Amino acid sequence: AQSVTQPDIHITVSEGASLELRCNYSYGATPYLFWYVQSPGQGLQLLLKYFSGDTLVQGIKGFEAEFKRSQSSFNLRKPSVHWSDAAEYFCAVGGMEYGNKLVFGAGTILRVKS
Amino acid sequence: DAGVTQSPTHLIKTRGQHVTLRCSPISGHKSVSWYQQVLGQGPQFIFQYYEKEERGRGNFPDRFSARQFPNYSSELNVNALLLGDSALYLCASSLPDDEKLFFGSGTQLSVL
Repeated sequence: AQSVTQPDIHITVSEGASLELRCNYSYGATPYLFWYVQSPGQGLQLLLKYFSGDTLVQGIKGFEAEFKRSQSSFNLRKPSVHWSDAAEYFCAVGGMEYGNKLVFGAGTILRVKS
Repeated sequence: DAGVTQSPTHLIKTRGQHVTLRCSPISGHKSVSWYQQVLGQGPQFIFQYYEKEERGRGNFPDRFSARQFPNYSSELNVNALLLGDSALYLCASSLPDDEKLFFGSGTQLSVL
C-alpha cells in the first residue's frame, strides 16, 4: 500500500535562508510524486510533480525537489525562503494504476522568521 | 478562467443530519475527486468520478456518497453526520488520464 511520511511537523527558518522539507514514501512500483502547498483556509496548490525522467524537478515559486529511488525520498528545497512561503506543505504519492487517488503525508508547517 | 469552485464555503450541522457539498470543476476537466482533510492531517481520498462513473472509492463508510452530473459538476453527500465528520472537504478536478489535480478552496464542515 502507498504511504507517505513527512518527519517534520513544524520547521522554522529565517527569511533568506535555505529550506529542505523531507518526504519519504512507500510504493511498490514507479511512483508519481507531488508537493502541494496550502495557505490557511485555502485549498492545495501544486508546486511540482515527478512522473519519470530527470530526478531533479523544478516547480513554481523557486522550489525544486529531487527523487531518490534508493532512499525512497522526494525532498523539497528552496535556496532562499521568502516570508510569503510560510504555509503548510504536503507531499503526496500516486501511481498510474491508482488514477487520481493520491496518498498525502501529514504535512509540514513552515514558519518564516524575519 | 475560473478555478475549481466549491459551495458552501462553511457549514454547521448537528449530529444525525445530512449534508450536500457541491463542486464545479475547471472548464474542460471531466474528472472530479473528493478529499477529506481533518485538522492537523493531510487530505484523505474519498471518491473519484469520471464521465459520471465512479472510478475509485476510499476507505469511507456508506454514509458517504457522491455523484457527477452531465456538466461534470459533482455533489458529495454525507448522511447521519457524526462529530468526526467535521473537516475541510476538498474537491479537485483534472483532465482525463492526468494525475495533476487542481483543488478548490474547500468546504469547512462543522458538526456539533
